[in-house]
Amino acid sequence: EAEVAQSPRYKITEKSQAVAFWCDPISGHATLYWYRQILGQGPELLVQFQDESVVDDSQLPKDRFSAERLKGVDSTLKIQPAELGDSAMYLCASSLAGVDGEAFFGQGTRLTVV
Amino acid sequence: GESVGLHLPTLSVQEGDNSIINCAYSNSASDYFIWYKQESGKGPQFIIDIRSNMDKRQGQRVTVLLNKTVKHLSLQIAATQPGDSAVYFCAENLGDYKLSFGAGTTVTVRA
Repeated sequence: EAEVAQSPRYKITEKSQAVAFWCDPISGHATLYWYRQILGQGPELLVQFQDESVVDDSQLPKDRFSAERLKGVDSTLKIQPAELGDSAMYLCASSLAGVDGEAFFGQGTRLTVV
Repeated sequence: GESVGLHLPTLSVQEGDNSIINCAYSNSASDYFIWYKQESGKGPQFIIDIRSNMDKRQGQRVTVLLNKTVKHLSLQIAATQPGDSAVYFCAENLGDYKLSFGAGTTVTVRA
């Protein structure tokens, strides 16, 4: 069964350091999402791509966060510098373009900033 | 602001009983809703969806009900099993395939 792949699964970093997460969506899925999930809360959308273009990054803290999907396939989310409040689960999801709903999620990257 | 939210943060249910998880939404323009299940340490998993032109949809052991009059959504799980223990989220499609999630309900199944 096709899956959204994310790495690393876990990351511990010191505040002010840079950190990067990688996501490989399901093959053929044009839409890719990055969500942040704080413990005990629902996922919050950070950025949405359609192919290589950003559709929505209104909730992305652009002073420290960046995301790219250069070839319209896999994607990287970067935080620089990391802050204590960035500790969360970072989830990547993908879906077929033009199809409502079913976004398939990866296992996520659990980030702890110390 | 408008958001999707759940009525209760936790639900404890006896194995074999039916579970009902509720969700209230406030965006009257929303026309598509999804329920996700999230097990510990994993990403959310799609359970079932419903469009606003429907009021009920059934899947395998699950039923979603939509009441647009009071902007209420519910997920019913029949014959709840230990494997159903998880956090359940309702999500609202805001358009352009953008999902807005509620805070979630933690379901614990008692043996």
